Amino acid sequence: NAGVMQNPRHLVRRRGQEARLRCSPMKGHSHVYWYRQLPEEGLKFMVYLQKENIIDESGMPKERFSAEFPKEGPSILRIQQVVRGDSAAYFCASSPNPGQGQKLFFGSGTQLSVL
Amino acid sequence: QQQVKQSPQSLIVQKGGIPIINCAYENTAFDYFPWYQQFPGKGPALLIAIRPDVSEKKEGRFTISFNKSAKQFSLHIMDSQPGDSATYFCAALGSGTYKYIFGTGTRLKVLA
Repeated sequence: NAGVMQNPRHLVRRRGQEARLRCSPMKGHSHVYWYRQLPEEGLKFMVYLQKENIIDESGMPKERFSAEFPKEGPSILRIQQVVRGDSAAYFCASSPNPGQGQKLFFGSGTQLSVL
Repeated sequence: QQQVKQSPQSLIVQKGGIPIINCAYENTAFDYFPWYQQFPGKGPALLIAIRPDVSEKKEGRFTISFNKSAKQFSLHIMDSQPGDSATYFCAALGSGTYKYIFGTGTRLKVLA
């Protein structure tokens, strides 16, 4: 019974390159959330997706960032033309269904470093 | 109003001590308050959670105290152990919503 799987664990990109972060939710979970964690800060909500639908992307920058959760395969967080300020840990979480008191299961994160 | 303020930023205690981590919120629509534990290189894991209809909840050595009128809640770790050394995050969730609001975290170190 695998947990939330994220890859890669570490990703190094040069400024201007693209970063693709992958997340496979727990088995049976159809709701995926992406959070960003900066040093000495808490987790900040970025986007909430269900299969083939973006439900809420209010926490995601309008430019360069996009997310998807296709019918088949993992959820992808894509950052185009990365800048140094994108360096952070990106965590994916899943839940069986959203809403009040639903426990979030987090992956181990992807540490993105932009040189 | 959507913030959750957490303190202290870091904490060092001796083994057996009782570290206390505090969180405060403004939004009275929050009605679920979990605490997450995060070890280096790992994702946060749910430790314990409380709803505002109770003032205290215990699970093993971990206790949440909740003060609804003060809009504050705290985590107490009884008989702390070096294995408890981690970063702890409080969070809040509004009724019918999915967007957790996290505190900034407390880095706890328990000395052997």
